Amino acid sequence: DVKVTQSSRYLVKRTGEKVFLECVQDMDHENMFWYRQDPGLGLRLIYFSYDVKMKEKGDIPEGYSVSREKKERFSLILESASTNQTSMYLCASSLAGVGDGYTFGSGTRLTVV
Amino acid sequence: KNEVEQSPQNLTAQEGEFITINCSYSVGISALHWLQQHPGGGIVSLFMLSSGKKKHGRLIATINIQEKHSSLHITASHPRDSAVYICAAEGMGGSEKLVFGKGTKLTVNP
Repeated sequence: DVKVTQSSRYLVKRTGEKVFLECVQDMDHENMFWYRQDPGLGLRLIYFSYDVKMKEKGDIPEGYSVSREKKERFSLILESASTNQTSMYLCASSLAGVGDGYTFGSGTRLTVV
Repeated sequence: KNEVEQSPQNLTAQEGEFITINCSYSVGISALHWLQQHPGGGIVSLFMLSSGKKKHGRLIATINIQEKHSSLHITASHPRDSAVYICAAEGMGGSEKLVFGKGTKLTVNP
C-alpha cells in the first residue's frame, strides 16, 4: 500500500526550540507539500517542492523553512518554535502535472508550550 | 482571487438520510478533489474529478464545469460517515497546488 508517512503523530516542544517534522513518501512522487490545519481556517500551504533541492513558498511560510535533499523526503523546520505554531501539520505528495495521485499523511499534532 | 467555498459548514443527519455537500470555486480548474478526515485522523482522498460523475460505494461526486460547482452525495448515511469533508480545487491559475475549502463537518446520528 502506497504511503505518505509522517514521523510523529503527536509532538510537544518548548518555545524557542528548533523543530523538525519529517515526511517520507514511497510513490516516487515529484511534488511534496506541507500544510497546516487550524480550526476555522482550513488547510493552508506552508511550502512545497516540485523536485529535489527545489522549494517554493506557499501562503504562510513565515517562521518555517524546508529541506528536500532526496526525492522521497521533505522536511519542515521550525527554526524557533512559537506558541502560534501550535497546529496540525499535514504532508502530501502528488505526481507532477496530473490531478491524480494526491496522497496525504496522517498528520502531526504539534503543541508548543 | 482563487477561492473555494463549501456549504454547509456543519451538517447533522439521522442514519439513513441522503446527504449533499456543496463546493463552488471562483475560476477554472483542472480537477476537483473530495477529501475525508475522521476526528483525530489524517486525510483520505475520496475522489478526483475533472468532469461528470464518479461513484464509490455509497459516495457519489459530481462536477459541473460550466457552473464551477461540485457536489458530494452520501446515500443511506451511517454514523461511520461522520467526518469532515473537504473539497479542494487544483489548477487554479495554472498551478498544481490545491486550494481548499474550509470543510463540512458531518455528524450522522444513529
